[in-house]
Amino acid sequence: ILNVEQSPQSLHVQEGDSTNFTCSFPSSNFYALHWYRWETAKSPEALFVMTLNGDEKKKGRISATLNTKEGYSYLYIKGSQPEDSATYLCASRGDAGKSTFGDGTTLTVKP
Amino acid sequence: SQTIHQWPATLVQPVGSPLSLECTVEGTSNPNLYWYRQAAGRGLQLLFYSVGIGQISSEVPQNLSASRPQDRQFILSSKKLLLSDSGFYLCAWSEGSSYGYTFGSGTRLTVV
Repeated sequence: ILNVEQSPQSLHVQEGDSTNFTCSFPSSNFYALHWYRWETAKSPEALFVMTLNGDEKKKGRISATLNTKEGYSYLYIKGSQPEDSATYLCASRGDAGKSTFGDGTTLTVKP
Repeated sequence: SQTIHQWPATLVQPVGSPLSLECTVEGTSNPNLYWYRQAAGRGLQLLFYSVGIGQISSEVPQNLSASRPQDRQFILSSKKLLLSDSGFYLCAWSEGSSYGYTFGSGTRLTVV
C-alpha cells in the first residue's frame, strides 16, 4: 500500500446501529496514525493519536484499534447517533510531522 | 491555551489575480505549520509545511508558494490564480510527530 486508503467511502446507518470503518496505510516509515472527525461547516477535529502496534483508544462510544505490522486501523462507533454524522479522516504521520490523509468515510446517521 | 486563526473565510477571485491567505497561531512557540487543500470530492492534500522561520517545504509543484516571516505566521500566496486552484484551504499546526493537528477554520477559494 503506497497511499492511505479508507473504506467505505460513505455509510448510511440508522440511529442505534453500530458501525466501523477501515483505514489502510503504508507500514514502513510509520510514526503515528491519527483519526479526525470533520463535521460540515467546521474544521477537522482530532479524535485519536495512535503510535504503538496493538494500541486501542476509546472516547465515549467511539473506539479505534491499530495494527502497524499489517498497516490498518479500525474506527468503531457503538450505538450511532445523528450527531455522529460527519466525515471521518485517518492520516498516517511520517517524518517531519507530515501527514498523508485518506479521502475519508462519510457517515450519515438517520434518526 | 493555543489558538489558530485563518482568514479570510471565503474568497472569490478572478483567474490571473494574486492570492494571499494568512494563518497565525497563538499560545505556543516554534510550532510545525502546514497548508492543506481539499479539492472537490477529494481528501486533504498537503501543500506546504514549515518546521521553523524561513523553512518551507513544498509537497506539490504548482503555482502556489508559502512563507513563514514570523514564528507563528504562515502565509499561502499565488501571483496568478488558475481555475484549478479552487478548493478549501486549511492551515494547521502541531507540536511534533507524536501529536495531532489543530486546524484553522479554513478558506473556501473560488477562482472564476
